[in-house]
Amino acid sequence: DGGITQSPKYLFRKEGQNVTLSCEQNLNHDAMYWYRQDPGQGLRLIYYSQIVNDFQKGDIAEGYSVSREKKESFPLTVTSAQKNPTAFYLCASSIPWTGEVNTIYFGEGSWLTVV
Amino acid sequence: SQQGEEDPQALSIQEGENATMNCSYKTSINNLQWYRQNSGRGLVHLILIRSNEREKHSGRLRVTLDTSKKSSSLLITASRAADTASYFCATSPPSGGYQKVTFGTGTKLQVIP
Repeated sequence: DGGITQSPKYLFRKEGQNVTLSCEQNLNHDAMYWYRQDPGQGLRLIYYSQIVNDFQKGDIAEGYSVSREKKESFPLTVTSAQKNPTAFYLCASSIPWTGEVNTIYFGEGSWLTVV
Repeated sequence: SQQGEEDPQALSIQEGENATMNCSYKTSINNLQWYRQNSGRGLVHLILIRSNEREKHSGRLRVTLDTSKKSSSLLITASRAADTASYFCATSPPSGGYQKVTFGTGTKLQVIP
Protein backbone atom coordinates (compact mmCIF):
# COMPACT_ATOMS: atom_id res chain seq x y z
CA ASP A 1 0.00 0.00 0.00
CA GLY A 2 1.19 3.52 -0.74
CA GLY A 3 1.85 5.81 2.13
CA ILE A 4 4.26 7.66 4.35
CA THR A 5 6.26 5.86 7.01
CA GLN A 6 7.73 7.72 9.94
CA SER A 7 10.09 6.21 12.46
CA PRO A 8 10.54 5.90 15.30
CA LYS A 9 7.09 6.50 16.75
CA TYR A 10 8.55 7.51 20.12
CA LEU A 11 11.97 9.01 20.68
CA PHE A 12 13.70 10.39 23.74
CA ARG A 13 16.48 12.92 23.50
CA LYS A 14 18.97 13.87 26.14
CA GLU A 15 20.07 17.45 26.53
CA GLY A 16 22.72 18.35 23.98
CA GLN A 17 21.98 15.47 21.64
CA ASN A 18 21.02 15.56 18.00
CA VAL A 19 18.33 13.13 16.92
CA THR A 20 17.07 12.20 13.48
CA LEU A 21 13.49 11.37 12.53
CA SER A 22 13.02 9.23 9.47
CA CYS A 23 10.38 9.79 6.79
CA GLU A 24 9.92 7.59 3.74
CA GLN A 25 7.14 7.80 1.14
CA ASN A 26 6.20 5.53 -1.76
CA LEU A 27 3.54 7.79 -3.22
CA ASN A 28 5.93 9.11 -5.88
CA HIS A 29 5.32 12.63 -4.61
CA ASP A 30 7.83 15.32 -5.41
CA ALA A 31 7.02 17.59 -2.47
CA MET A 32 7.68 16.67 1.15
CA TYR A 33 7.21 18.56 4.39
CA TRP A 34 7.93 18.47 8.09
CA TYR A 35 5.48 19.95 10.57
CA ARG A 36 5.65 20.38 14.30
CA GLN A 37 2.53 20.07 16.45
CA ASP A 38 2.45 21.06 20.10
CA PRO A 39 -0.31 19.69 22.36
CA GLY A 40 -3.66 21.21 21.52
CA GLN A 41 -2.15 23.33 18.78
CA GLY A 42 -2.19 23.49 15.03
CA LEU A 43 0.63 22.56 12.68
CA ARG A 44 3.68 24.71 12.06
CA LEU A 45 5.88 24.18 9.02
CA ILE A 46 9.53 23.43 9.76
CA TYR A 47 10.99 22.63 6.32
CA TYR A 48 9.70 21.68 2.91
CA SER A 49 11.26 20.23 -0.21
CA GLN A 50 9.96 20.53 -3.76
CA ILE A 51 12.46 18.25 -5.47
CA VAL A 52 15.50 16.14 -4.69
CA ASN A 53 18.50 18.09 -3.42
CA ASP A 54 16.42 21.15 -2.73
CA PHE A 55 14.68 22.27 0.46
CA GLN A 56 13.45 25.51 1.98
CA LYS A 57 12.94 26.78 5.51
CA GLY A 58 9.44 27.00 6.83
CA ASP A 59 8.16 29.16 9.67
CA ILE A 60 10.13 27.53 12.50
CA ALA A 61 13.33 26.11 10.97
CA GLU A 62 15.74 27.24 13.68
CA GLY A 63 17.33 24.29 15.45
CA TYR A 64 16.34 21.81 12.73
CA SER A 65 18.04 20.48 9.61
CA VAL A 66 16.93 18.28 6.72
CA SER A 67 18.29 16.55 3.64
CA ARG A 68 16.64 15.34 0.45
CA GLU A 69 19.06 13.01 -1.28
CA LYS A 70 16.33 10.72 -2.58
CA LYS A 71 12.82 11.41 -3.75
CA GLU A 72 11.43 8.92 -1.26
CA SER A 73 13.24 10.14 1.83
CA PHE A 74 13.20 13.39 3.84
CA PRO A 75 14.83 12.93 7.26
CA LEU A 76 14.63 15.62 9.91
CA THR A 77 17.41 16.22 12.41
CA VAL A 78 16.52 17.97 15.64
CA THR A 79 19.74 19.57 16.78
CA SER A 80 20.88 20.61 20.24
CA ALA A 81 20.22 24.18 19.16
CA GLN A 82 16.48 23.52 19.34
CA LYS A 83 15.79 24.49 22.93
CA ASN A 84 12.26 23.18 23.23
CA PRO A 85 12.03 20.14 20.97
CA THR A 86 9.40 18.17 22.87
CA ALA A 87 6.53 17.88 20.39
CA PHE A 88 4.74 15.69 17.86
CA TYR A 89 6.42 15.73 14.45
CA LEU A 90 4.52 15.05 11.25
CA CYS A 91 6.00 14.29 7.87
CA ALA A 92 3.86 14.86 4.81
CA SER A 93 3.98 14.82 1.05
CA SER A 94 2.03 16.09 -1.95
CA ILE A 95 2.18 16.34 -5.70
CA PRO A 96 3.72 19.57 -6.96
CA TRP A 97 1.47 22.59 -7.13
CA THR A 98 -0.27 22.72 -10.50
CA GLY A 99 -2.95 25.27 -9.74
CA GLU A 100 -5.43 22.54 -8.92
CA VAL A 101 -6.07 20.52 -5.83
CA ASN A 102 -3.18 20.19 -3.46
CA THR A 103 -4.01 17.49 -0.96
CA ILE A 104 -1.37 16.81 1.63
CA TYR A 105 -0.80 13.24 2.82
CA PHE A 106 0.55 12.67 6.30
CA GLY A 107 2.53 10.02 8.09
CA GLU A 108 1.51 8.75 11.52
CA GLY A 109 3.84 11.10 13.36
CA SER A 110 6.74 10.79 15.78
CA TRP A 111 6.69 11.84 19.41
CA LEU A 112 9.93 13.42 20.60
CA THR A 113 10.52 13.98 24.30
CA VAL A 114 13.50 15.60 25.95
CA VAL A 115 14.67 13.80 29.08
CA SER B 1 0.68 33.21 12.55
CA GLN B 2 -2.18 30.82 11.85
CA GLN B 3 -4.29 31.63 8.82
CA GLY B 4 -7.27 29.60 10.01
CA GLU B 5 -8.91 29.72 13.40
CA GLU B 6 -11.43 27.05 14.26
CA ASP B 7 -14.39 27.57 16.53
CA PRO B 8 -15.23 26.11 18.95
CA GLN B 9 -11.94 24.82 20.30
CA ALA B 10 -13.75 21.83 21.78
CA LEU B 11 -17.17 20.31 21.21
CA SER B 12 -18.91 17.47 23.01
CA ILE B 13 -22.12 15.94 21.65
CA GLN B 14 -24.19 12.79 21.94
CA GLU B 15 -24.03 10.12 19.29
CA GLY B 16 -26.60 10.78 16.59
CA GLU B 17 -26.48 14.55 16.94
CA ASN B 18 -25.01 16.85 14.33
CA ALA B 19 -21.65 18.54 14.89
CA THR B 20 -20.82 21.91 13.41
CA MET B 21 -17.40 23.51 13.51
CA ASN B 22 -16.30 26.76 11.96
CA CYS B 23 -13.14 28.10 10.44
CA SER B 24 -12.29 31.75 9.90
CA TYR B 25 -9.34 32.94 7.87
CA LYS B 26 -7.68 36.25 7.21
CA THR B 27 -6.61 36.53 3.58
CA SER B 28 -7.96 35.48 0.20
CA ILE B 29 -7.74 31.82 -0.66
CA ASN B 30 -7.67 29.49 -3.64
CA ASN B 31 -9.27 26.64 -1.71
CA LEU B 32 -10.00 25.44 1.78
CA GLN B 33 -9.61 21.89 3.00
CA TRP B 34 -10.71 20.05 6.11
CA TYR B 35 -8.59 17.38 7.75
CA ARG B 36 -9.24 14.99 10.59
CA GLN B 37 -6.73 13.84 13.19
CA ASN B 38 -7.29 11.00 15.59
CA SER B 39 -5.39 11.35 18.84
CA GLY B 40 -1.68 10.72 18.36
CA ARG B 41 -2.06 10.03 14.65
CA GLY B 42 -1.45 11.82 11.38
CA LEU B 43 -3.96 14.02 9.59
CA VAL B 44 -6.33 12.62 7.00
CA HIS B 45 -7.85 14.69 4.23
CA LEU B 46 -11.65 14.89 4.35
CA ILE B 47 -12.89 17.37 1.79
CA LEU B 48 -11.83 20.37 -0.29
CA ILE B 49 -13.89 23.34 -1.37
CA ARG B 50 -12.69 25.84 -3.96
CA SER B 51 -13.09 29.58 -3.59
CA ASN B 52 -15.75 29.68 -6.31
CA GLU B 53 -17.87 27.03 -4.58
CA ARG B 54 -20.34 27.64 -1.79
CA GLU B 55 -21.19 24.15 -0.61
CA LYS B 56 -19.95 20.58 -0.98
CA HIS B 57 -21.09 17.25 0.33
CA SER B 58 -19.29 14.00 0.97
CA GLY B 59 -21.20 11.29 2.74
CA ARG B 60 -22.16 12.67 6.17
CA LEU B 61 -19.98 15.75 5.67
CA ARG B 62 -21.23 19.09 4.46
CA VAL B 63 -18.87 22.00 3.96
CA THR B 64 -19.86 25.58 3.26
CA LEU B 65 -17.67 28.51 2.27
CA ASP B 66 -18.47 32.19 2.53
CA THR B 67 -15.61 34.12 0.98
CA SER B 68 -17.21 37.48 1.81
CA LYS B 69 -16.99 36.59 5.50
CA LYS B 70 -13.78 34.59 5.09
CA SER B 71 -15.30 31.64 6.87
CA SER B 72 -16.15 28.00 6.36
CA SER B 73 -18.14 25.47 8.30
CA LEU B 74 -17.96 21.71 8.52
CA LEU B 75 -21.11 19.85 9.44
CA ILE B 76 -21.00 16.19 10.41
CA THR B 77 -24.50 14.71 10.45
CA ALA B 78 -25.67 11.78 12.57
CA SER B 79 -22.40 11.68 14.46
CA ARG B 80 -20.83 8.43 15.63
CA ALA B 81 -18.41 7.68 18.42
CA ALA B 82 -15.81 6.98 15.72
CA ASP B 83 -16.04 10.62 14.64
CA THR B 84 -14.24 11.60 17.86
CA ALA B 85 -11.14 13.43 16.65
CA SER B 86 -9.67 16.86 16.05
CA TYR B 87 -10.68 18.66 12.88
CA PHE B 88 -8.48 21.19 11.13
CA CYS B 89 -9.13 23.58 8.30
CA ALA B 90 -6.29 24.38 5.91
CA THR B 91 -6.15 27.19 3.37
CA SER B 92 -4.19 27.67 0.17
CA PRO B 93 -3.45 31.20 -1.11
CA PRO B 94 -4.63 32.41 -4.54
CA SER B 95 -1.07 32.43 -5.80
CA GLY B 96 -0.76 28.73 -5.17
CA GLY B 97 2.40 27.26 -3.77
CA TYR B 98 1.93 24.09 -1.82
CA GLN B 99 4.32 25.23 0.90
CA LYS B 100 1.87 27.95 1.74
CA VAL B 101 -0.91 25.65 2.88
CA THR B 102 -1.67 26.91 6.38
CA PHE B 103 -3.45 24.93 9.05
CA GLY B 104 -5.76 26.24 11.74
CA THR B 105 -5.66 25.41 15.42
CA GLY B 106 -8.32 22.72 15.29
CA THR B 107 -11.62 21.78 16.90
CA LYS B 108 -11.56 18.81 19.23
CA LEU B 109 -14.78 16.84 18.83
CA GLN B 110 -15.95 14.27 21.33
CA VAL B 111 -18.93 12.11 20.44
CA ILE B 112 -20.40 10.37 23.46
CA PRO B 113 -21.93 6.93 22.80
